[in-house]
Amino acid sequence: AQSVSQHNHHVILSEAASLELGCNYSYGGTVNLFWYVQYPGQHLQLLLKYFSGDPLVKGIKGFEAEFIKSKFSFNLRKPSVQWSDTAEYFCAVNYGGSQGNLIFGKGTKLSVKP
Amino acid sequence: NAGVTQTPKFQVLKTGQSMTLQCAQDMNHEYMSWYRQDPGMGLRLIHYSVGAGITDQGEVPNGYNVSRSTTEDFPLRLLSAAPSQTSVYFCASSYWARNTGELFFGEGSRLTVL
Repeated sequence: AQSVSQHNHHVILSEAASLELGCNYSYGGTVNLFWYVQYPGQHLQLLLKYFSGDPLVKGIKGFEAEFIKSKFSFNLRKPSVQWSDTAEYFCAVNYGGSQGNLIFGKGTKLSVKP
Repeated sequence: NAGVTQTPKFQVLKTGQSMTLQCAQDMNHEYMSWYRQDPGMGLRLIHYSVGAGITDQGEVPNGYNVSRSTTEDFPLRLLSAAPSQTSVYFCASSYWARNTGELFFGEGSRLTVL
């Protein structure tokens, strides 16, 4: 079955630390890849997305993600986190390109200590 | 610029009661969907629709009904609420004909079933 795995359930960092959140998906065909962020008490917002082209994708608020097709991975990175990055982060995959539903990982909660 | 609007934001039900969660979007999106979010489970797809008059089941459809009589509205019905349906529900929409999987989310409806 198609699935999305996020390796970390809860990550705790101090401000200015670097962040990398892992995401792997299970299908080897055409995929569209996303990272969504959910700030406390809010709805999900798109952080960044990959459809095709340059596998290094830059998103909002200094986040970036790298698509590595051979590893079925789409890890999220940020060189220096801020307290305001405290949120839950969801990796999501749209299998089959232009059709198909979005499948979400279980999420990684990020807590940034000031 | 309303986007995706969900009502109510909060609801408490007793076991066996019925209710409808409302969802409306003003972006002329063909695709609409309902997810539930539970701690440690991420977002799981309940039902989705690719256009007026067309609905289909997602990963966890049991206990829920949907209909899509207009492009704008996609209500979710709980016919006989159970404590297992205590969750946060998100409605999301996107373009389907040129769907790249990017979803626009409502602000969520928190449902408690006693």
